[in-house]
Amino acid sequence: DAGVIQSPRHEVTEMGQEVTLRCKPISGHNSLFWYRQTMMRGLELLIYFNNNVPIDDSGMPEDRFSAKMPNASFSTLKIQPSEPRDSAVYFCASSLGQYNEQFFGPGTRLTVL
Amino acid sequence: SQKIEQNSEALNIQEGKTATLTCNYTNYSPAYLQWYRQDPGRGPVFLLLIRENEKEKRKERLKVTFDTTLKQSLFHITASQPADSATYLCALDRDSSYKLIFGSGTRLLVRP
Repeated sequence: DAGVIQSPRHEVTEMGQEVTLRCKPISGHNSLFWYRQTMMRGLELLIYFNNNVPIDDSGMPEDRFSAKMPNASFSTLKIQPSEPRDSAVYFCASSLGQYNEQFFGPGTRLTVL
Repeated sequence: SQKIEQNSEALNIQEGKTATLTCNYTNYSPAYLQWYRQDPGRGPVFLLLIRENEKEKRKERLKVTFDTTLKQSLFHITASQPADSATYLCALDRDSSYKLIFGSGTRLLVRP
């Protein structure tokens, strides 16, 4: 199995630019999670999809962040406009069911200059 | 407020010894608890899940205990190996839901 696939692995951009992170969950999984990890705040849940529907976006920091899941095999997390404080590692994870183990992707390291 | 605490200091042990990591929580009533391993530059990898009605769970050299009275989970690695060196994260469900709250992790270093 390929596991959860994320792209790009690294992204360096300038403040004010739009950033789009991509995720392909494991085939057959119906739950998808976006997390952000920083040294200061650890691993934080941003948004949760179940069967392609956003269920909980209470962790999205502000309106500059948006996420979509147009189908079961693809999700995006967009930041527009980006700010230096958005610099972090962003992980996508999927699971079969809401309460089961989560499979994480390799992450996207975002640096906003 | 709800809080999960893991020892922020690295745990440094000799190969072959048992490593014990602690996860304490306050103001939670989790239905289950999970442990993950994270290596530098990689995403967390699931290790074990233990439910509130289970006191202990084992998988090969790994053992997890869950004491809902003490609000504590212990994670043990027996016969530790240098390859076990990594950061270990505990995670609790919030409000008996899909939402996992992660601890900050404890770094384990196993010396050869």
